[in-house]
Amino acid sequence: AQSVAQPEDQVNVAEGNPLTVKCTYSVSGNPYLFWYVQYPNRGLQFLLKYITGDNLVKGSYGFEAEFNKSQTSFHLKKPSALVSDSALYFCAVLLSGTYKYIFGTGTRLKVLA
Amino acid sequence: DVKVTQSSRYLVKRTGEKVFLECVQDMDHENMFWYRQDPGLGLRLIYFSYDVKMKEKGDIPEGYSVSREKKERFSLILESASTNQTSMYLCASSPGGESEKLFFGSGTQLSVL
Repeated sequence: AQSVAQPEDQVNVAEGNPLTVKCTYSVSGNPYLFWYVQYPNRGLQFLLKYITGDNLVKGSYGFEAEFNKSQTSFHLKKPSALVSDSALYFCAVLLSGTYKYIFGTGTRLKVLA
Repeated sequence: DVKVTQSSRYLVKRTGEKVFLECVQDMDHENMFWYRQDPGLGLRLIYFSYDVKMKEKGDIPEGYSVSREKKERFSLILESASTNQTSMYLCASSPGGESEKLFFGSGTQLSVL
């Protein structure tokens, strides 16, 4: 079965420290990979996507993600966390040639002042 | 900026009622989606539409139907609401091309009593 895994329900990090939110996927073909963020009482907002090319993708709010084909991972990273980064983060895969997105279960990021 | 508007932020309904959730997008997007979001389960696709009057079932269509009579509007219908349909419902849209990101509404928190 095709799936996206976010192994951590919650990640805590101190403000100013680097953060990583993990995502691995198991799909056939070459998927398109996305990260979305959800702030309280809001819908999801697009952060970044990987289609092809450079394995390091830069996105909104200083976030970046590293695509690793051999490990089928797409981890979200930020060099220096802000308290305002505290939110729910979703990794998603778009199966190529379809409109079907598969979402992970989400990781709650808590940045502590 | 693309705006996806969901008609209600909070909704409380009784078991057995017919429920309509409305979604409107203002960017002439081809594709529209309905997801439900439940803690620990991530986002699950209920239905999507790739054109006016065209629809396809997602992963969990049972108990739901949809209507897309105009390009900008996509309605989700719960024919006879049940308590297990208590959830956050998210509408999204995207342009017609491949690898496109989703634009989400703010969500409707539905409680079925």
